[in-house]
Amino acid sequence: TQLLEQSPQFLSIQEGENLTVYCNSSSVFSSLQWYRQEPGEGPVLLVTVVTGGEVKKLKRLTFQFGDARKDSSLHITAAQPGDTGLYLCAGAPTGAGSYQLTFGKGTKLSVIP
Amino acid sequence: DTGVSQDPRHKITKRGQNVTFRCDPISEHNRLYWYRQTLGQGPEFLTYFQNEAQLEKSRLLSDRFSAERPKGSFSTLEIQRTEQGDSAMYLCASSLEAGVYGYTFGSGTRLTVV
Repeated sequence: TQLLEQSPQFLSIQEGENLTVYCNSSSVFSSLQWYRQEPGEGPVLLVTVVTGGEVKKLKRLTFQFGDARKDSSLHITAAQPGDTGLYLCAGAPTGAGSYQLTFGKGTKLSVIP
Repeated sequence: DTGVSQDPRHKITKRGQNVTFRCDPISEHNRLYWYRQTLGQGPEFLTYFQNEAQLEKSRLLSDRFSAERPKGSFSTLEIQRTEQGDSAMYLCASSLEAGVYGYTFGSGTRLTVV
């Protein structure tokens, strides 16, 4: 069974601060995705990283995939209240025959104005 | 196209009753997935369809759960003889590729079994 551990579980910061959340596993994934979920809604895809060592930027968000494709990080610069939400990472399995994404439990971020 | 639609958004049912949820994926997506999410947890995989074929089912999908995707368009998820442990958010997602490049999720159906 592939597991993804996310840390921290909860994070409360002031507007304008920077933060990093982590997603770690002992398993190798073919790709890793980050989603943001708001209460009562489904997750919304932010980014997919596929290549080990890959870095992708989405405005103030920077995503990195570990060289070994076992871990990832999300860094937010100058956080804003609109960044508040549950950040989920999800790994796609390697090899053929399985299509299930493995999700972490998420990091719940609160950005205080 | 307005994305993935799920109906109903909320369902309250008595223990022992049957419930059915519907998912309408993005029209050009031939892959459809059902996930379940409980409070404080990430979504857990239930089942996967490619067109009308159900290609993968999780161990979580007990005999009381059945999913269909007739004609490879919309999908239904039925839970028979509901139990309190079935209370969760049921999420549907669709994609063009099988899992590698991310899914588009619907807003979910929140099931409460009383």
